[in-house]
Amino acid sequence: QSVLTQPPSVSAAPGQRVTISCSGSSSNLGSNSVSWYQQLPGTAPKLLIYENNKRPSGIPDRFSGSKSGTSATLGITGLQTGDEADYYCGTWDSSLSYVFGTGTKVTVL
Amino acid sequence: QVQLVESGGGVVQPGRSLRLSCAASGFTFSKYGMYWVRQAPGKGLEWVAVIWYDGNKKYCADSVMGRFTVSRDNSKNALYLQMDSLRAEDTAVYYCATWFYPSSWGPDYWGQGTRVTVSS
Repeated sequence: QSVLTQPPSVSAAPGQRVTISCSGSSSNLGSNSVSWYQQLPGTAPKLLIYENNKRPSGIPDRFSGSKSGTSATLGITGLQTGDEADYYCGTWDSSLSYVFGTGTKVTVL
Repeated sequence: QVQLVESGGGVVQPGRSLRLSCAASGFTFSKYGMYWVRQAPGKGLEWVAVIWYDGNKKYCADSVMGRFTVSRDNSKNALYLQMDSLRAEDTAVYYCATWFYPSSWGPDYWGQGTRVTVSS
């Protein structure tokens, strides 16, 4: 049902960098900004990035976001074991609905 | 700081109704839009509904249209989700969230969720 496509999983060693892609269409990412959420196991989602690349207070600058056209990317540098979680992108769609990505599981090797 | 506490979840039979509540504190509730988002067991996030700060605009997902109703009482700092004609596929953890950053247009700060199980 998700209209935003993410890779199911990404992995890297501690200290390395990972990127997570989010692919949409002209009706959603192509015309609206993207947010990114982190969901640690058994907890509620937490906002990491909003308006493509803005970080709320308290979010470390190891997390970054970008958007180009109908795609967006979340980057995590200096990967830590505490970053193991599911990550979701989200944005408004012209159908007057908020849509989430399919979700990506980050594994720290 | 923003605090959101959901309540009202539980086990309910198919076809019955349930009303979820979300108590807000730590911010001026009447100035912010609010969201309901759900997550079925082992699945991803699914948007359910959004309501503007003054309650004048509301939108619901097609999957719940005509069955779920979002509302708010700004005098009580409370958000509600009236769920009627419940189905097994409505089984999920339901989160309320505030649209805190105007430029985000999305759910920014989330509560811990309340679990709804629809089963006979």
